[in-house]
Amino acid sequence: AQRVTQPEKLLSVFKGAPVELKCNYSYSGSPELFWYVQYSRQRLQLLLRHISRESIKGFTADLNKGETSFHLKKPFAQEEDSAMYYCALSGRSSNTGKLIFGQGTTLQVKP
Amino acid sequence: NAGVMQNPRHLVRRRGQEARLRCSPMKGHSHVYWYRQLPEEGLKFMVYLQKENIIDESGMPKERFSAEFPKEGPSILRIQQVVRGDSAAYFCASSGGLANYNEQFFGPGTRLTVL
Repeated sequence: AQRVTQPEKLLSVFKGAPVELKCNYSYSGSPELFWYVQYSRQRLQLLLRHISRESIKGFTADLNKGETSFHLKKPFAQEEDSAMYYCALSGRSSNTGKLIFGQGTTLQVKP
Repeated sequence: NAGVMQNPRHLVRRRGQEARLRCSPMKGHSHVYWYRQLPEEGLKFMVYLQKENIIDESGMPKERFSAEFPKEGPSILRIQQVVRGDSAAYFCASSGGLANYNEQFFGPGTRLTVL
């Protein structure tokens, strides 16, 4: 079964602390993984995708096929990082590109 | 470019009524996706359409739900005879090309409340 699991509903850290938002997936083929973010009163937007191997706003995520994980990390959290974060998966063998989302994690960065 | 537009932003219906949700993709985009988010859950794929074609409707409930994306005009998600369980946020996303490798841009969502 295709599934994305984000085990933490809420992650609360202090400004300047490291952040790791966990994401595990289950997919039988070759997946493409994404992190989407939704800031307060804004629409859902793409933060990064594993295929790009880039760092956006200080965030990085590495696809670990052995552990079937795609955790999102940032060494020093900022208050403006407070948002809802969704991990999502798309199957490369799929010809539709539909996204399978995790339940989401709210990141709260305290001053 | 105004981005993906959805209207209405909020829709209230009584049980048994029909709900019509509209999505205008970004300019130049011809691929539209609909997702539903129930309270306390993540977004769930419903349907993927290209102009005048339904490509993948594997996430659509078998009854009462339908979607279209006509040659002219917005994509429409239609829910007939709504029930309380249909209360959710419905998001539309569009992309510009081959689905797998093109970013999906999301609209602000329509929040449907069924009384």
